[in-house]
Amino acid sequence: GDSVTQMEGPVTLSEEACLTINCTYTATGYPSLFWYVQYPGEGLQLLLKATKADDKGSNKGFEATYRKETTSFHLEKGSVQVSDSAVYFCALSDNQAGTALIFGKGTTLSVSS
Amino acid sequence: GAGVSQSPSNKVTEKGKDVELRCDPISGHTALYWYRQSLGQGLEFLIYFQGNSAPDKSGLPSDRFSAERTGGSVSTLTIQRTQQEDSAVYLCASSFEIIWSAGELFFGEGSRLTVL
Repeated sequence: GDSVTQMEGPVTLSEEACLTINCTYTATGYPSLFWYVQYPGEGLQLLLKATKADDKGSNKGFEATYRKETTSFHLEKGSVQVSDSAVYFCALSDNQAGTALIFGKGTTLSVSS
Repeated sequence: GAGVSQSPSNKVTEKGKDVELRCDPISGHTALYWYRQSLGQGLEFLIYFQGNSAPDKSGLPSDRFSAERTGGSVSTLTIQRTQQEDSAVYLCASSFEIIWSAGELFFGEGSRLTVL
């Protein structure tokens, strides 16, 4: 079945460091890919998405490119801030009617000043 | 507010008791999802409701778990004869579009269940 694998955390960085959180997927067909973020004490919220190969999703300085050849959707940010500390979830939708998002296990990011 | 509302936010119960968790989705959202978030396990899909269609129950871990959605709006997740392994945060989400059209899911803050 479809699945998402993301790098284990926690990831600890200093402010202004570069961030990469790896995400790879297994799916039949052509899934849509998502990154969700869960800030402390808040519900998950969509960070960015990409619906077809080579699409780049971006938001709040974060980017991820849908790479079909490597079945990857790595999350990147050039300069992290303390406020980016959160849990990040990679997810996919197989674009079939009546199916739910499949999530990775989440990666905790802690950024210190 | 206008977001997804879940109650209770925290629930502590004794093993063997039944619990009910409530989700009030965003008004007008036709799809409603329940997920379970356990430490180290990520988000586990439980059940999905879309309009008047039969729900997708494929993620429910055992027959002790059930959910209903009344009037296409509020949903209740019921766990019977709770076990310690049921301890987790139960998340509800809703969306306006069926997810295959790459619609966005809106999540509540979750109900944290602790089974002693």
